Amino acid sequence: GAVVSQHPSRVICKSGTSVKIECRSLDFQATTMFWYRQFPKQSLMLMATSNEGSKATYEQGVEKDKFLINHASLTLSTLTVTSAHPEDSSFYICSARRLGTSGVELFFGEGSRLTVL
Amino acid sequence: AQTVTQSQPEMSVQEAETVTLSCTYDTSESDYYLFWYKQPPSRQMILVIRQEAYKQQNATENRFSVNFQKAAKSFSLKISDSQLGDAAMYFCAYRREAGGTSYGKLTFGQGTILTVHP
Repeated sequence: GAVVSQHPSRVICKSGTSVKIECRSLDFQATTMFWYRQFPKQSLMLMATSNEGSKATYEQGVEKDKFLINHASLTLSTLTVTSAHPEDSSFYICSARRLGTSGVELFFGEGSRLTVL
Repeated sequence: AQTVTQSQPEMSVQEAETVTLSCTYDTSESDYYLFWYKQPPSRQMILVIRQEAYKQQNATENRFSVNFQKAAKSFSLKISDSQLGDAAMYFCAYRREAGGTSYGKLTFGQGTILTVHP
């Protein structure tokens, strides 16, 4: 099956710093990737849709200047949490879309746990 | 906007027994997909089963089957012969059929934590 890799899996940073999380599709090209946020024992909430070569589409209530998304290639999307604060601590998961013969398939990364001190 | 509701925050089952997880959804669209995902403690999302709305036949994957009631907008997951490895958080999810730049985004329910007792 297709593989999506996220890095880092865990990151701890100080308040006020910025953190970048990478999402890579290892064996297929993904023109579209999705970024979700998940608090402990809660659901996944879509933050934004990342499209290669264009600006990301953010969900209502998500600060685009706070969560910068770049999708510069067909295999890589990055999420940068700028000026991170403790309330940004969460689990971030990406999902890459593949268009196959059987239609749309979605593949999830392993997730990245961000802790802001 | 589509919504997905899982009304059971937690469920438990004895090993080898059967358990059913509930899910309801709301949409004005006629074509869409429904999914059940499993999230074990590792937090990796694992696709369990999917159902196309245009198919009347309920999807089945080994010990996992669904009861899809389109008119009632209900999509429950039945796990037969439960195993210890089935313990996880289960999410019901909806995806529209139509295209667009956000084609493929999922709307998730709140999740159900399943405990399997030996």
